Amino acid sequence: SAVISQKPSRDICQRGTSLTIQCQVDSQVTMMFWYRQQPGQSLTLIATANQGSEATYESGFVIDKFPISRPNLTFSTLTVSNMSPEDSSIYLCSVEDEKLFFGSGTQLSVL
Amino acid sequence: DAKTTQPTSMDCAEGRAANLPCNHSTISGNEYVYWYRQIHSQGPQYIIHGLKNNETNEMASLIITEDRKSSTLILPHATLRDTAVYYCIVRVASYGQNFVFGPGTRLSVLP
Repeated sequence: SAVISQKPSRDICQRGTSLTIQCQVDSQVTMMFWYRQQPGQSLTLIATANQGSEATYESGFVIDKFPISRPNLTFSTLTVSNMSPEDSSIYLCSVEDEKLFFGSGTQLSVL
Repeated sequence: DAKTTQPTSMDCAEGRAANLPCNHSTISGNEYVYWYRQIHSQGPQYIIHGLKNNETNEMASLIITEDRKSSTLILPHATLRDTAVYYCIVRVASYGQNFVFGPGTRLSVLP
């Protein structure tokens, strides 16, 4: 099973700033996925990140707000831009290896 | 939208079997049933999955009805550490297909 390291594990940020979340996998994977989990809610897919191509965003999520990088087969970043309190959520990185494996998540609070 | 319906919450006594139901009446022939759980503030953890036969692993058993319209996840001897939100997901076993998480069942294991 894939081991995923995600950081930071939590952060408190000011309104209007940006935060970049890093996701490192211990093996090469083609696709990496970014999810958001708002307080008390289930998980929602933000985008799928393929190495060597633009990320594919789900309805309701745009690249300007959530730019994603995928420089190689073991690493990806998600940036939450121009944050507002509504962005306070847990952000989760995941990869697929027959099953879906998740990182431990980044708990973001925006003041 | 999620293709499954689950009870919002359930209680189970410690040491007893926890039986978590899931309805997926519109499941297609090539869709698998996956179960994940999420312990508070952690990333979801894979439990088990199956197509039409019952499955068992070290964590749980999955019982799928013959018509595949419903299934039950069984934790044979629930412990306090099994308290979590349990998600039932149906999905084509094709690489890159989205896992759509519904609200899940909040299982509370009581001492």
